[in-house]
Amino acid sequence: DTGVSQDPRHKITKRGQNVTFRCDPISEHNRLYWYRQTLGQGPEFLTYFQNEAQLEKSRLLSDRFSAERPKGSFSTLEIQRTEQGDSAMYLCASSFTGNTIYFGEGSWLTVV
Amino acid sequence: AQTVTQSQPEMSVQEAETVTLSCTYDTSESDYYLFWYKQPPSRQMILVIRQEAYKQQNATENRFSVNFQKAAKSFSLKISDSQLGDAAMYFCAYAKGRGGSEKLVFGKGMKLTVNP
Repeated sequence: DTGVSQDPRHKITKRGQNVTFRCDPISEHNRLYWYRQTLGQGPEFLTYFQNEAQLEKSRLLSDRFSAERPKGSFSTLEIQRTEQGDSAMYLCASSFTGNTIYFGEGSWLTVV
Repeated sequence: AQTVTQSQPEMSVQEAETVTLSCTYDTSESDYYLFWYKQPPSRQMILVIRQEAYKQQNATENRFSVNFQKAAKSFSLKISDSQLGDAAMYFCAYAKGRGGSEKLVFGKGMKLTVNP
């Protein structure tokens, strides 16, 4: 049974470029979550999906951020016109409704 | 809004000893779950233990147990017989609802060092 998979694990990009992260949840998990974690802080909720529907989006998520889960399976998180403040680890997690949330290993973003 | 507070940024414990990590939270919800997650240097967040708010009995998982004080909104984690592999960041988290799969609200975390 594979866990939550995230790709790429590390990304270095220049300010102003766009980046996209992919998350593959645990098979048959209908919920998928995105969190952001900066050094020395706990993860902050960004958004989550139930199947393909985006149920909630944090006010932390500016218009430069967009997330999709087109077929209710994998999800992508795109950041447009990256800024240095976007440097963080982006965590994906999944669950089946009413059950434990499992996390992936995260995708590190460094904006230079 | 729900908040989770971990007031101790760091703690250390001797191998084989017992350590208690504290957490307080604030919510007006009656149904919710509380969690302790562990994040070792590899960075993957791993669930340690979970507690349903409607259950009075404190959860236990092998060497890990909680002291859940609902009225005081306190949720501490006790690690018995500490092992070197327990060294990690520990996060207390909250999720509203009865299922435990609503979005998680995390505390800032606490770094646990285990000394041999």
